[in-house]
Amino acid sequence: SQQGEEDPQALSIQEGENATMNCSYKTSINNLQWYRQNSGRGLVHLILIRSNEREKHSGRLRVTLDTSKKSSSLLITASRAADTASYFCATDPQGGSEKLVFGKGMKLTVNP
Amino acid sequence: DTAVSQTPKYLVTQMGNDKSIKCEQNLGHDTMYWYKQDSKKFLKIMFSYNNKELIINETVPNRFSPKSPDKAHLNLHINSLELGDSAVYFCASSQDYSGSGNTIYFGEGSWLTVV
Repeated sequence: SQQGEEDPQALSIQEGENATMNCSYKTSINNLQWYRQNSGRGLVHLILIRSNEREKHSGRLRVTLDTSKKSSSLLITASRAADTASYFCATDPQGGSEKLVFGKGMKLTVNP
Repeated sequence: DTAVSQTPKYLVTQMGNDKSIKCEQNLGHDTMYWYKQDSKKFLKIMFSYNNKELIINETVPNRFSPKSPDKAHLNLHINSLELGDSAVYFCASSQDYSGSGNTIYFGEGSWLTVV
């Protein structure tokens, strides 16, 4: 069953701006992951945040997790044209048989 | 070195045909997956194998049959292809199935078009 819902569905920004993508989910989770998919390619893991963590950084990426609101956000700072891709959140539900449940993805376009 | 490789990348075939997609991972992972991504980019797990044993078998028509000859390979065979089978099929792997927090490594996808 679908778990994560990214918001917005599509975002277009200028190079250098920050991009924020949100993900909401429905059930309790063990962790939440963000993946990137470039056009015509496979998904690539970006960052994982555990349910007992509130914020995590990796380079220009900042992920937050609010388990009370069942939501997460991915912030990409100082965006580059190469960041143009679809971004997916994926949740590891507690007690679920499915290890990762992916959202529908969000298309980010960074204009040079 | 490609971590998860799948072939073919593109496949165009007629309805009713039988086709296979092959997948290999050189990461030494115990768990492999098949995902289907539809035209709306929705990614749905189909199967998961751990050490050659079937762990997850989602509601997938039995025309789809996975086969894992060893833990580094997970092939997908599709019988009697239908138009609705057109999608991108991703093979993936993770270190193991039991641990929470496993990262999934995806192949580049196989674009299947049924005409």
